Amino acid sequence: DTGVSQNPRHKITKRGQNVTFRCDPISEHNRLYWYRQTLGQGPEFLTYFQNEAQLEKSRLLSDRFSAERPKGSFSTLEIQRTEQGDSAMYLCASSLASGREEQYFGPGTRLTVT
Amino acid sequence: AQRVTQPEKLLSVFKGAPVELKCNYSYSGSPELFWYVQYSRQRLQLLLRHISRESIKGFTADLNKGETSFHLKKPFAQEEDSAMYYCALSIIQGAQKLVFGQGTRLTINP
Repeated sequence: DTGVSQNPRHKITKRGQNVTFRCDPISEHNRLYWYRQTLGQGPEFLTYFQNEAQLEKSRLLSDRFSAERPKGSFSTLEIQRTEQGDSAMYLCASSLASGREEQYFGPGTRLTVT
Repeated sequence: AQRVTQPEKLLSVFKGAPVELKCNYSYSGSPELFWYVQYSRQRLQLLLRHISRESIKGFTADLNKGETSFHLKKPFAQEEDSAMYYCALSIIQGAQKLVFGQGTRLTINP
């Protein structure tokens, strides 16, 4: 499968614990996006990278959230001191910056905070 | 603020009937609009975008700037069209930051 991959697919954690998710984009894609989707809602933009530079962060991304893309390839999203409100599907998408840019989504990581 | 509204959470039609999924947006600039689809047990994927003016799987969507709408239409629904559909707005500021509506679950009855 040469599409966007995300690991783990499911994560259950206790409130207060830290979690980290990984996204592997399509290899030649230079842009990488993170979204969060809660039940019954559409995805909400969190942040994006162009190569290794994080160029924009949503106000939804509190100080407990941090994302990295150290070598411009895979990306990690870490949530510190998880809260029950962090329970959601975390989606990653990648794209090639162009006039006809198309984002390709991964399968998502479902986080449940108990 | 940018917003996308899909007024119907659920839409059910019979096979062969016309389908229209509504989408309205609010954005002061010049938007780019998309429809994304998620079939059962599959990932979110792009269906069509307004600048392409294409028909994909029989679906079309026209951007109406006066009514700030981007409704998705298909003249004859097929059972395989059953899926979750999301309308999305891209704020063009050097990257394709997407603002999604809450989605419409379309069910095609045989």
